[in-house]
Parts: sequence; C-alpha cells; structure tokens
Amino acid sequence: QKEVEQNSGPLSVPEGAIASLNCTYSDRVSQSFFWYRQYSGKSPELIMSIYSNGDKEDGRFTAQLNKASQYVSLLIRDSQPSDSATYLCAVRSTGNQFYFGTGTSLTVIP
Amino acid sequence: KAGVTQTPRYLIKTRGQQVTLSCSPISGHRSVSWYQQTPGQGLQFLFEYFSETQRNKGNFPGRFSGRQFSNSRSEMNVSTLELGDSALYLCASSFGPNQETQYFGPGTRLLVL
Repeated sequence: QKEVEQNSGPLSVPEGAIASLNCTYSDRVSQSFFWYRQYSGKSPELIMSIYSNGDKEDGRFTAQLNKASQYVSLLIRDSQPSDSATYLCAVRSTGNQFYFGTGTSLTVIP
Repeated sequence: KAGVTQTPRYLIKTRGQQVTLSCSPISGHRSVSWYQQTPGQGLQFLFEYFSETQRNKGNFPGRFSGRQFSNSRSEMNVSTLELGDSALYLCASSFGPNQETQYFGPGTRLLVL
C-alpha cells in the first residue's frame, strides 16, 4: 500500500466549474498536509498547507482535512484554464519524512 | 529572496558513468531534501539533510549519495548510472528542522543513454 494515494485522472472540468481533487494517506499519525501544483515541465509549487481537521480557504482554493478518515481534498472554485496542471498531495509523516502522491492531472476546458 | 537553484538543469550521461547534482537552498533555509520524479513512480524521496547531517534516507540503492555543506548547499551523487536513473531530480528547501513547508527548485533533468 502506498503512503499517499490519489486518482491519477485525468480530470476534466469546464471553465467556471468546481474541480475536486482527493487524496488518502496511510500513516494515521501524519501531522501536515500539502497540495502542490505542477505544470508540465516545471517543478512543484506550493498551493496550500493544512494541519487541522476542517476546511482552509485561500482565494479560489479550499483544502479539506479529515484525519479520522485519513482523507485530504482540494477544491478549486471558478476553475480557469490556467489551473490545468498536475496536482500533488503531500503528507509529512512520522520522522518528518514527506510522501507524495503520484498526482492528479486536471484539465480545465474553456 | 532568490528561490532554490539547481545546477545543471539538463544532463546527458551514459551507463556506468557517475554524476553530481548541486542545489542551493533559499537563503536562511537549512533543510534540503532530494527527490526523484519519474512518470511512473511520481515523486520519490531520496534523502534529507539538515545542518550538514543526513536525517532521513529513502529506499534507494547505495549508488545514490549526498552531502550538505556548512552554507546549506547540497550535492547528490549517483555512481554507476543505469538507464532507470533517467529522471527529473528535484531539490526542496525548508527553513528549519521540522521542514514545515518545502519549496522546490527547477530540477535537473538527467538522461542516461
């Protein structure tokens, strides 16, 4: 079982819609959770971090964390074509080690 | 502040050779982590250094090694290159020992022929 699992997609949404990206993790004592965006040929860039159960909003992005279900999600409201990228879920687990999912490819259709 | 820099950006080597990649973290950051990214495996953790000490190591063979200098710059070395080592090698830096947030460099794309 992988430490962090994501649906690889591809996920396609029309412009202006809500994109929902999901991630599950296996280490129950994981403490910190991150979403990175990676454009093709580029390095990952941090979008959001979340540490407590519940929702955290930053502009059009909302991260949701449910530690009991070991589940993290990212919602992108009013999706734009520029949001088309691969989204990586990362978990900081015991021993301060980061684990990344393989990413979900998102395409926003104009 | 300047971001994380990595050199070289692109590299072509042949099987059996060795390679050294360099990473300069964001000024003031003392933790540096290295990752290998391939299409099939995603981002895989190689190792992490803090204050010149390796604190964590991923599940890679001993051909992969690294070090960190007193100015926090880091190098990773891969000896006896194999075709499967072709990948994007990413360096990420963070401020402190708990590496709360990692910031990635542009990566070094290595092609082994």
